[in-house]
Amino acid sequence: GQSLEQPSEVTAVEGAIVQINCTYQTSGFYGLSWYQQHDGGAPTFLSYNALDGLEETGRFSSFLSRSDSYGYLLLQELQMKDSASYFCAVKVSLNRDDKIIFGKGTRLHILP
Amino acid sequence: GAGVSQSPSNKVTEKGKDVELRCDPISGHTALYWYRQSLGQGLEFLIYFQGNSAPDKSGLPSDRFSAERTGGSVSTLTIQRTQQEDSAVYLCASSLRTEAFFGQGTRLTVV
Repeated sequence: GQSLEQPSEVTAVEGAIVQINCTYQTSGFYGLSWYQQHDGGAPTFLSYNALDGLEETGRFSSFLSRSDSYGYLLLQELQMKDSASYFCAVKVSLNRDDKIIFGKGTRLHILP
Repeated sequence: GAGVSQSPSNKVTEKGKDVELRCDPISGHTALYWYRQSLGQGLEFLIYFQGNSAPDKSGLPSDRFSAERTGGSVSTLTIQRTQQEDSAVYLCASSLRTEAFFGQGTRLTVV
């Protein structure tokens, strides 16, 4: 089967750095994505890693290790507006069809 | 339109009634997903359409739930004989390659 594990909640302080981990067990793995969802809103795409290593986009970075089936989202210089849920998602190829599978999400609380 | 469109945005229905939720994906996107999200919870996968392949219905919670996608575009999720536990936000997403684009969802309330 396919499964993704990420912490249900993380708390950090404004201005600090926080890392949200994601481990996965899948077959036909293509890549790992991250999505952000604010309360009352729809999930929006943040990043996609197909190769091992770190991808940086402004204050957000995403890391992937294919050999460890592990990735993380790193948020720097935290702002109150970063309070949201963050979902990791894997893209897999199943029976010649590509599919995106989401984790259950990590709720990030930011303290002033 | 430029994004994924869902209608209605809100739906209140009486227990036992049937409801239909509509999703207009981004034009040209071959993949379409339906998810359910209860308050403060994660994304519960319901069903997945990819091109002309048979849909992946493995996430549908009961036979009261069904979905179709006509002409590889618009999709309708139907819930028959609604129950109070069906109350949630139903999200649709479409994708062409690596990124999924979500609609704003339909908030379903069963009273």
